[in-house]
Amino acid sequence: QKEVEQDPGPLSVPEGAIVSLNCTYSNSAFQYFMWYRQYSRKGPELLMYTYSSGNKEDGRFTAQVDKSSKYISLFIRDSQPSDSATYLCAMKEISNTGNQFYFGTGTSLTVIP
Amino acid sequence: DSGVTQTPKHLITATGQRVTLRCSPRSGDLSVYWYQQSLDQGLQFLIQYYNGEERAKGNILERFSAQQFPDLHSELNLSSLELGDSALYFCASSSGQGEKLFFGSGTQLSVL
Repeated sequence: QKEVEQDPGPLSVPEGAIVSLNCTYSNSAFQYFMWYRQYSRKGPELLMYTYSSGNKEDGRFTAQVDKSSKYISLFIRDSQPSDSATYLCAMKEISNTGNQFYFGTGTSLTVIP
Repeated sequence: DSGVTQTPKHLITATGQRVTLRCSPRSGDLSVYWYQQSLDQGLQFLIQYYNGEERAKGNILERFSAQQFPDLHSELNLSSLELGDSALYFCASSSGQGEKLFFGSGTQLSVL
């Protein structure tokens, strides 16, 4: 079983739709949760960061973490064609010296004008 | 701009050759990570360094090696290159307690 599972999609939605992206994980020690956006052949860009459980909102983006279910979500409201990209979830244990980040395989999203 | 600098942006070479990819982390970041991303594939973790010391190893081939220097920049060396090594190679650095990862723009390696 992989540490992090993410549906690869592809996901195609009309402009203005609400998009829901999800990841599940198996390691209960994960405390840091991130969502990255990656445009084609570009470096992943940190979109949202959450520590432990709860919700975090930033503009049209909302990140949710449910540690009891080992499930994280990213919601995109009023989706725009510029949101078309691959979205990667990532998570990590607490460590003072680093340690590995675990990534999902990414969900490809296309927002159709 | 993430603050992580990778050079070169593109590299074209032949099978059997050796190349070096360079990464400068964000100012103050002590950890450097290397990832490989093949076409339409996910990010494959290769190796992590923290303040000059190797901390974690992923799916890194024996033909590949890396190091982090006293000024914290890192180099990834790829030798005896094969066609299958063609990929995007990303460097990333992490902040503070290591809770966020910031990526460079990548080096596109093409082995012909």
